[in-house]
Amino acid sequence: GEDVEQSLFLSVREGDSSVINCTYTDSSSTYLYWYKQEPGAGLQLLTYIFSNMDMKQDQRLTVLLNKKDKHLSLRIADTQTGDSAIYFCAGRRESRFNAGNNRKLIWGLGTSLAVNP
Amino acid sequence: DSGVTQTPKHLITATGQRVTLRCSPRSGDLSVYWYQQSLDQGLQFLIQYYNGEERAKGNILERFSAQQFPDLHSELNLSSLELGDSALYFCASSVGSGRTYEQYFGPGTRLTVT
Repeated sequence: GEDVEQSLFLSVREGDSSVINCTYTDSSSTYLYWYKQEPGAGLQLLTYIFSNMDMKQDQRLTVLLNKKDKHLSLRIADTQTGDSAIYFCAGRRESRFNAGNNRKLIWGLGTSLAVNP
Repeated sequence: DSGVTQTPKHLITATGQRVTLRCSPRSGDLSVYWYQQSLDQGLQFLIQYYNGEERAKGNILERFSAQQFPDLHSELNLSSLELGDSALYFCASSVGSGRTYEQYFGPGTRLTVT
């Protein structure tokens, strides 16, 4: 089946680290993405990781991938109030039947991150 | 600014009506995706077009239809609207080159059906 699951809410204090977790069921997912949606805005791609990587770091963001457990996490260091948003995990499923440009993303429901001053 | 534009920003209409949402992809992007985001269903993929042709279909109702025009802009038509159709409708575009092909999202159209 195609499933991506995330916790719905996370609350942290400003300056702490946030860790948003995601689990997925489809082992054929080759790219895994994190998107951010700020209130009233569209989705913004934050970062992505290819399935043959364990970790990717980009400034305050660290993505960890455990392929064996099908677990993906996004760590935000020194969380700021401006990081308050909904964070979506998405996986791109590859299939020999999905040629060209009709691959689709499977999305989680999003984790709402609240950063308290 | 992702480069993807959507109009209108807000739309309020009554049940039974029909509306058209418009999306202009980023310059050079050939793929357009439509998503519906509601509080109880989360983000749902509706449909994808690539260079004018339908390429993938998700949870799109029969009352909904979409098309992509030769200039690559896309329209999502919603008819016989019901209260449950109230949601944010996002359009996204991508190059579709077979690499990571990030999807760039527009700001969304908020539809309220009363």
